[in-house]
Amino acid sequence: DAKTTQPNSMESNEEEPVHLPCNHSTISGTDYIHWYRQLPSQGPEYVIHGLTSNVNNRMASLAIAEDRKSSTLILHRATLRDAAVYYCILHNPMDSNYQLIWGAGTKLIIKP
Amino acid sequence: KAGVTQTPRYLIKTRGQQVTLSCSPISGHRSVSWYQQTPGQGLQFLFEYFSETQRNKGNFPGRFSGRQFSNSRSEMNVSTLELGDSALYLCASSAGQYNEQFFGPGTRLTVL
Repeated sequence: DAKTTQPNSMESNEEEPVHLPCNHSTISGTDYIHWYRQLPSQGPEYVIHGLTSNVNNRMASLAIAEDRKSSTLILHRATLRDAAVYYCILHNPMDSNYQLIWGAGTKLIIKP
Repeated sequence: KAGVTQTPRYLIKTRGQQVTLSCSPISGHRSVSWYQQTPGQGLQFLFEYFSETQRNKGNFPGRFSGRQFSNSRSEMNVSTLELGDSALYLCASSAGQYNEQFFGPGTRLTVL
């Protein structure tokens, strides 16, 4: 099962864009890149996912490198409510035995 | 739609006892996954149930078991509790293996 590597923590100022990187050098062709975040005292929350092309939704954008060995979650205008641990994980929906491996994630600190 | 609910939210047990945790998925979701989250090990996959069948299992001892009912509600059981079982147990439901997971708030288990 493939793994991902993320920085332990990042800081950003409120109302500025945030770029959260993720490395997944062993990604396979059928692995989707998923991002979740976990706010304090809550369960993880789905943010976005993609396969090859960049993706946008109301929460964030996902930029995927051309070789798919890395990706970046972009929060366009961070607020204090975006302070959370962000997890980048790989998911292969074609393999029912595929197990999601959650790393330590990136703790995002937003400074007012 | 109502979100994923987990009961109880908090639980205190002593070593050697057993415990049963309950999870009600989002209506219409047939997949339920369980995770253990500890400060040292992060989020670790326990097992997944789909249509009352265990489809996938993580690397946990046999003391950890689960089941899913015909209404997709799921329970997990931990027998012969150990101090190291103290953790946040999270349940997540999904419409299928191609879809994102929706997490409940978790059950905080403390073993004394």
